[in-house]
This record gives sequence, structure tokens and C-alpha cells, in this order.
Amino acid sequence: DTGVSQNPRHKITKRGQNVTFRCDPISEHNRLYWYRQTLGQGPEFLTYFQNEAQLEKSRLLSDRFSAERPKGSFSTLEIQRTEQGDSAMYLCASSFLGLRITSDTQYFGPGTRLTVL
Amino acid sequence: AQTVTQSQPEMSVQEAETVTLSCTYDTSESNYYLFWYKQPPSRQMILVIRQEAYKQQNATENRFSVNFQKAAKSFSLKISDSQLGDTAMYFCAFRGNDMRFGAGTRLTVKP
Repeated sequence: DTGVSQNPRHKITKRGQNVTFRCDPISEHNRLYWYRQTLGQGPEFLTYFQNEAQLEKSRLLSDRFSAERPKGSFSTLEIQRTEQGDSAMYLCASSFLGLRITSDTQYFGPGTRLTVL
Repeated sequence: AQTVTQSQPEMSVQEAETVTLSCTYDTSESNYYLFWYKQPPSRQMILVIRQEAYKQQNATENRFSVNFQKAAKSFSLKISDSQLGDTAMYFCAFRGNDMRFGAGTRLTVKP
């Protein structure tokens, strides 16, 4: 297993356009998280899935943002009508949470850097 | 809401010396996990060390160790024998009912 992968690594778009990012978690990981990170800050939680169920969304998450994990494997994060303030690094992380493993240790992907012009 | 505070935006250390990064957190939960993550320049975030709140023993991973003071809600990271490759942003993270990260400490190891 090569770890968490994210595509694309970089995305430049014009304001008002829609963008979609993909995350492929570590195999067998049942949890998948999306974060946003701006320069000089720590990751900010956006949402997470357990298998295909979206269990939590940040209250800060605009309704222009939507995420899916249709088969409990890869996930997509879509941003509609992008704004300049959406420019950031979007990080994906995955973890395994089970009866005997309870720490929810997350492993991060390399991120997708979004620039909105 | 949980908050995670890293009071040192930047730190530097000479190669081979020891440095301690501070982290405090606020929570009303009794069961949680604490993490230190490292994010090298232009590279992805990787886990450095993990601490379960119910364990009194401080976690250790090779040159990395923590000083976990549950009553004080403090979780500092000690890096011994610092190496040039330790240069990175270090993030303290809390996992309870939700997941929160501190703002990070930029550590520079000088030759």
C-alpha cells in the first residue's frame, strides 16, 4: 500500500467555477477525513466519513462544499462557485477505527493546492 | 469546544541538541488522544507520536518523546539529538469527539 493519494496535486481555477478533488485512502481504512489548510495554519476540519456514511460536517463548511464517499473507498470533495477565499491546501486523511483499535490515528495525503483567480 | 494552543510560532535549535515544543489544550472530555504531526516544507504531514489520555506513561518514539500532563492539559514534544531533517512545521492535535489542530510551530534545525 502506498498510502493516501490525492488528485490533482494542484488546481488553478477562475472564480465562479466548480472544482472536484479526489482522495484514495489507505486500503481497509474505514474512516476518511477532509481538511482545509491555509498558509501558516494548522488543518481545519471539514468533514469525515465512516465507510460511506458522512458522520460529521463542520459548521464552518459552506453549502457550496459537498463531499461523497459512494462505495466507502475513495472520496470526492466538490466546491461549487469557487471564491478567492477558497484558495487553500485541501488535505485528506484516512484511519482505521475498530473494536481493538480506538485511537483513530490519521494518515495524511499530500494535499491538493487550490488557487482561485 | 476543544482548543489546541501552540504558543511558539517559531523555534530553532542547533543540530544534535534537544528542543521542546509546547502544546496545551482545553477539553471537558476524559477519554481522548493527542498527536504530534510533522509537516516538512512542501511535503505531506506525517505522524510523529501518539498519546492515549488514559495512559500515564509518556509515549516515546526513538528521538521523540512527550511530556503529557493530563491535569494541566499540557502535551509537549521533546526532540533529542536534533537532525537537519527534523526541520518542519510541527502540529499538535487533539482527537476526542472531534479533531482539532494547533496553529503549528515552525522548527528550524541549524547545522
